[in-house]
Amino acid sequence: DAGVIQSPRHEVTEMGQEVTLRCKPISGHDYLFWYRQTMMRGLELLIYFNNNVPIDDSGMPEDRFSAKMPNASFSTLKIQPSEPRDSAVYFCASTGGTISGTYNEQFFGPGTRLTVL
Amino acid sequence: AQSVTQLGSHVSVSEGALVLLRCNYSSSVPPYLFWYVQYPNQGLQLLLKYTSAATLVKGINGFEAEFKKSETSFHLTKPSAHMSDAAEYFCAVNNAGNMLTFGGGTRLMVKP
Repeated sequence: DAGVIQSPRHEVTEMGQEVTLRCKPISGHDYLFWYRQTMMRGLELLIYFNNNVPIDDSGMPEDRFSAKMPNASFSTLKIQPSEPRDSAVYFCASTGGTISGTYNEQFFGPGTRLTVL
Repeated sequence: AQSVTQLGSHVSVSEGALVLLRCNYSSSVPPYLFWYVQYPNQGLQLLLKYTSAATLVKGINGFEAEFKKSETSFHLTKPSAHMSDAAEYFCAVNNAGNMLTFGGGTRLMVKP
């Protein structure tokens, strides 16, 4: 398996622009998580899905952030409009909740480094 | 609610010295515990995990951790540090809904 795939790996945009980050989880995994990592706040859980349904979005900072999972193999995190304080590394992770032996282990993608100028 | 505390946001050791990274947890249910490593500009990678089997868990790259219920600890150790071990290390505990609660991370620096 190729692991969790994220695109793009780097994104530089200007304040006010829309940004869309993409994630493909590991095939067969039924949980998907979006995290944000910054020096100041560390690793923060933004939202997670189970079987494509958003379960907990309490970590989403504000209405400018939205996430979707239209099918089991694809999820997006959108920021509209983007602001400089959104600059961070965004990680996607997946886990197979019903796959024996994984015991909640999350598999992380390589991340998207977002810079908002 | 589950929580994790990592003592020391930065740890510095000399090459060849013992590595000890501390993790204490709080959990209302029997925990599953994890150590992840993050190398510069990369995602988090699983080092090892405790899932209620043996209390001493061996992971990749010579790391191991011991689950001590009486101390609510899951400290990570390696007998001899290598320059390539320089990275950030995260301890995590399972939570509801397949969520993980992560500690704040410990940055390990290895001096030549």
